[in-house]
Amino acid sequence: DSGVTQTPKHLITATGQRVTLRCSPRSGDLSVYWYQQSLDQGLQFLIQYYNGEERAKGNILERFSAQQFPDLHSELNLSSLELGDSALYFCASDRGGGAFSYEQYFGPGTRLTVT
Amino acid sequence: GENVEQHPSTLSVQEGDSAVIKCTYSDSASNYFPWYKQELGKRPQLIIDIRSNVGEKKDQRIAVTLNKTAKHFSLHITETQPEDSAVYFCAASRGSNYKLTFGKGTLLTVNP
Repeated sequence: DSGVTQTPKHLITATGQRVTLRCSPRSGDLSVYWYQQSLDQGLQFLIQYYNGEERAKGNILERFSAQQFPDLHSELNLSSLELGDSALYFCASDRGGGAFSYEQYFGPGTRLTVT
Repeated sequence: GENVEQHPSTLSVQEGDSAVIKCTYSDSASNYFPWYKQELGKRPQLIIDIRSNVGEKKDQRIAVTLNKTAKHFSLHITETQPEDSAVYFCAASRGSNYKLTFGKGTLLTVNP
């Protein structure tokens, strides 16, 4: 158990719908990263939040957005869903700075299926 | 941006043999190189990592080597066991508080 939690484990929804994925980082971690894993694209970085603020953006579609709340949990919102959005979505967390805080630990993931 | 290439994409070995997976990266500013093991349907698990001020690191049966000049790093697993079967990902990062850029993964199969 990495200490990072994600809900829900599975989501099945229809095209055009909107879903919200939730992540709680390890205790003491300030940074949350979202990654998408699909068969053809591998593990791709989507977005990072640090202590409530957006810090970096990767290959995140405009239909996707995220935020980090004061208690440091994060939510990833996916809207106008398409079949191609079906994937495993992982969040990871790390301390967010400092010489001994390089390691990112992953949550169990949310498997999204768009039908 | 950073690009990480990983080879081979699949690797099959006999139990007890060694396995080597190699990665190259493009960003000279990368200084942190973790390796993750992912079993089917599970989360990536950090198994070992190395920073750019170190050339080699060992942890029991696994070791990682880094050649900063050539921009490549490798994972070595000795005395492989069936439970080592999984997908292994290399990654590169500019360090603390930065995103990871992953290789495409290597499916390792250890045959009993």
